Amino acid sequence: QVQLVQSGAEVKKPGASVKVSCKAYGYNFTKYVMHWVRQAPGQRLEWMGWINAGKGNTKFSQKFQGRVTIIRDTSASTVYMEVSSLRFEDMAVYYCARSRVPITVTTDGSAFDIWGQGTMVTVSS
Amino acid sequence: EIVLTQSPGTLSLSPGERATLSCRASQSVGSNYLAWYQQKPGQAPRLLIYGASSRATGIPDRFSGSGSGTDFTLTIRRLEPEDFAVYYCQQYGDSPPYTFGQGTKLEIK
Repeated sequence: QVQLVQSGAEVKKPGASVKVSCKAYGYNFTKYVMHWVRQAPGQRLEWMGWINAGKGNTKFSQKFQGRVTIIRDTSASTVYMEVSSLRFEDMAVYYCARSRVPITVTTDGSAFDIWGQGTMVTVSS
Repeated sequence: EIVLTQSPGTLSLSPGERATLSCRASQSVGSNYLAWYQQKPGQAPRLLIYGASSRATGIPDRFSGSGSGTDFTLTIRRLEPEDFAVYYCQQYGDSPPYTFGQGTKLEIK
């Protein structure tokens, strides 16, 4: 069964970093791009960036460039997303989501067909 | 960055009725790379429509998408009880950032 399973909820202090994992099951991990999307309370979904799970190259929203890191471990079929210098406004549910179309076709220009269950990140002093 | 504006903010309908949700883009969406997602409380979004009008795998045919350029519509004919949720549109063109609308809440009247 194709699914993405994320790590559990996190509570962090302002200025700290948080690392969220996303493990893929049921498909060829290196053939697809993985995205990260977050949703703050009462806010719209916000795309953060993606990683080409095959080559490992990344692309980010300008808003998150320099503060967000995305890496992958192909042996574990897992993607990791780290946010540094956390602020109160980073409190959100973070989702990983797979591109519907394989990398062989495109890296951009694909909707997101499989989503993780979400990881709540709380930022509190 | 393309800004997506959805209307209405809330739509109150009864099961069996037809729902029409709108998504307007601040500039033309290239190649009609427009998707619709359904999200229920405490759950991740679920892909319904991609490419403005193609249904995702396993999506019932009562869901349909239409439109091009800057104006897109999601139609749900004969609402079922499980269809009451929040719906988001998303543009995923060739150049990020990919952006989402603010959502339309479909509630039971």
